[in-house]
Amino acid sequence: KAGVTQTPRYLIKTRGQQVTLSCSPISGHRSVSWYQQTPGQGLQFLFEYFSETQRNKGNFPGRFSGRQFSNSRSEMNVSTLELGDSALYLCASREGNSPLHFGNGTRLTVT
Amino acid sequence: AQSVTQLDSHVSVSEGTPVLLRCNYSSSYSPSLFWYVQHPNKGLQLLLKYTSAATLVKGINGFEAEFKKSETSFHLTKPSAHMSDAAEYFCVVNIMNYGGSQGNLIFGKGTKLSVKP
Repeated sequence: KAGVTQTPRYLIKTRGQQVTLSCSPISGHRSVSWYQQTPGQGLQFLFEYFSETQRNKGNFPGRFSGRQFSNSRSEMNVSTLELGDSALYLCASREGNSPLHFGNGTRLTVT
Repeated sequence: AQSVTQLDSHVSVSEGTPVLLRCNYSSSYSPSLFWYVQHPNKGLQLLLKYTSAATLVKGINGFEAEFKKSETSFHLTKPSAHMSDAAEYFCVVNIMNYGGSQGNLIFGKGTKLSVKP
């Protein structure tokens, strides 16, 4: 089985722009979650989608949003980018009570 | 409140010597516990998991961890470090011991392992 795939791997954007990141989960996994990883804050939970519905949300501003499609693929969007949004964004999928399977992440740099 | 504490932010060992990465947790429920490893610019890879079966859990790459309820610990060990073990390691607790939202996962701050030749 193919693993979790995230695209693109690297992104450079300027302040005020918006960005969309994509995640394809492992085949058969219906739960997809997103995490932000920075050196200062570590891994922080953004949100989780299950069967196209947001099931849980972390403590991030409304500029961060996501969605999930019927094939379980997910996208997250960040609008009005700030310098502090520079981070590694990780997507993870799982099915039922299985452990999380992570993608290799998208490295976002905001200048 | 539920929490997970990795006691060392950085551990340095010599190749061939034992590795010990410490993790303590706090949970009102019977937790599920995990160790993940992250190599630079990569995602997290599952090393091992504890889900209330055997207290000594064996994982990949020679790693193992022991769940000690009395000490609320889940330390990760390996008898002999290899250069390829250099990475960051995360202890994770699932505060709800059943399938459910990933918002119930708590990640430790990570321990960076360096391996000297």
